[in-house]
Amino acid sequence: EIVLTQSPDTLSLSPGERATLSCRASQSVRSDYLTWYQQKPGQAPRLLMYGTSNRATGIPDKFGGSGSVTDFTLTISRLEPEDFAVYYCQYYDRSLVTFGGGTKVEIK
Amino acid sequence: QVSLQESGPGLVKPSETLSLTCTVSGVSINGYYWNWVRQPPGKGPEWIGYVYDSGTTKFNPALKSRVTASVDTSKNQFSLNLNSVTAADTAVYYCARWGKLGGNAINAYDLWGQGTMVFVSS
Repeated sequence: EIVLTQSPDTLSLSPGERATLSCRASQSVRSDYLTWYQQKPGQAPRLLMYGTSNRATGIPDKFGGSGSVTDFTLTISRLEPEDFAVYYCQYYDRSLVTFGGGTKVEIK
Repeated sequence: QVSLQESGPGLVKPSETLSLTCTVSGVSINGYYWNWVRQPPGKGPEWIGYVYDSGTTKFNPALKSRVTASVDTSKNQFSLNLNSVTAADTAVYYCARWGKLGGNAINAYDLWGQGTMVFVSS
């Protein structure tokens, strides 16, 4: 079973700053099966990136995804007030789905 | 407007069965994998399982012994049953669609319901 470890747990940044979130897999994984979601309080997760680096419909290009093998990164180039939220990575493997523990991006 | 809506009791007694239904609107239930995901308060999401339009299912090994799922294509709905519940099953339960692009799976959930909070308590 693949385990996803996200870091840091919390990222304290100011609007306009760049955010770099990490998702590490416990073993080598396929990059086309790695996904990122954004979740705000009281809402369902929202699809941001699929296949590591493909933005979902309506997602602005300030969001970027990269990585391979075991290390994956979600980058938010310039934080805006609506970007402060919790971000989860997710992996699909042999019909099983696992989520990381999440990174909270909070206003500093 | 494509949407998913969960429905079911918000309170279930310990040892009883949690039953939820997801109604799909604006798109046919055929041709997609329909999933259940839950999220305990303050924690990350946990995949429960999926059901395909044919009735094929797959479940999280940690829950497999207690879960069943079904689909009713005539009503454009799918359902979840989780038996022998305990307080550890208290969570927001979401239904979600495994997305496709150009007919190919994108290996991600592109559509989610708003979620329904289920408490397990006597």
